[in-house]
Amino acid sequence: NAGVTQTPKFRILKIGQSMTLQCTQDMNHNYMYWYRQDPGMGLKLIYYSVGAGITDKGEVPNGYNVSRSTTEDFPLRLELAAPSQTSVYFCASSLAGTQYFGPGTRLTVL
Amino acid sequence: ELKVEQNPLFLSMQEGKNYTIYCNYSTTSDRLYWYRQDPGKSLESLFVLLSNGAVKQEGRLMASLDTKARLSTLHITAAVHDLSATYFCAVDKGGNSGGSNYKLTFGKGTLLTVNP
Repeated sequence: NAGVTQTPKFRILKIGQSMTLQCTQDMNHNYMYWYRQDPGMGLKLIYYSVGAGITDKGEVPNGYNVSRSTTEDFPLRLELAAPSQTSVYFCASSLAGTQYFGPGTRLTVL
Repeated sequence: ELKVEQNPLFLSMQEGKNYTIYCNYSTTSDRLYWYRQDPGKSLESLFVLLSNGAVKQEGRLMASLDTKARLSTLHITAAVHDLSATYFCAVDKGGNSGGSNYKLTFGKGTLLTVNP
């Protein structure tokens, strides 16, 4: 089992560009989550999904979109990137409780 | 709104010493998690505490949960350098009764440095 995988590992975007962060899990978990981690601030929930076709906003959803067409994949879309979106992004999945995290994507918006 | 506060946020310890990290949360819950994060790495699950009075131990780390006080502690015994990392507590406000879709609210983390 690969667990939770994320691509890319690093990315630099220019202001106004768009991109998709990929997240895939092979554990057949229903629940998936996207977080951002800023220095000294812990993790903030961006969006989550309780199953294919069902998504909902978390604490900090503005500037992001998600979709969940399959159990395995939960991509995060950034439209019109802004410097405030510079962060480390983690995807996680859960069966019913403990969340398992991917390796993260470090995104810089210049 | 659920708030989770950890203290201290920074902890520098000598090897061999004991110390405790505290995690307070603002609303009732009986489901709390501890994670470890090494620099530049992902989060690794350490403990899941699912009831009042729950205690879990792994090596030099022991976590406990007091739901009435809304407090969890992570106790470090005879610290070693390999324990240097950032430790996060996270609370599921839905608790064991569910309803939260297992969403977690994280504390800001405690950066632990163990010095020789």
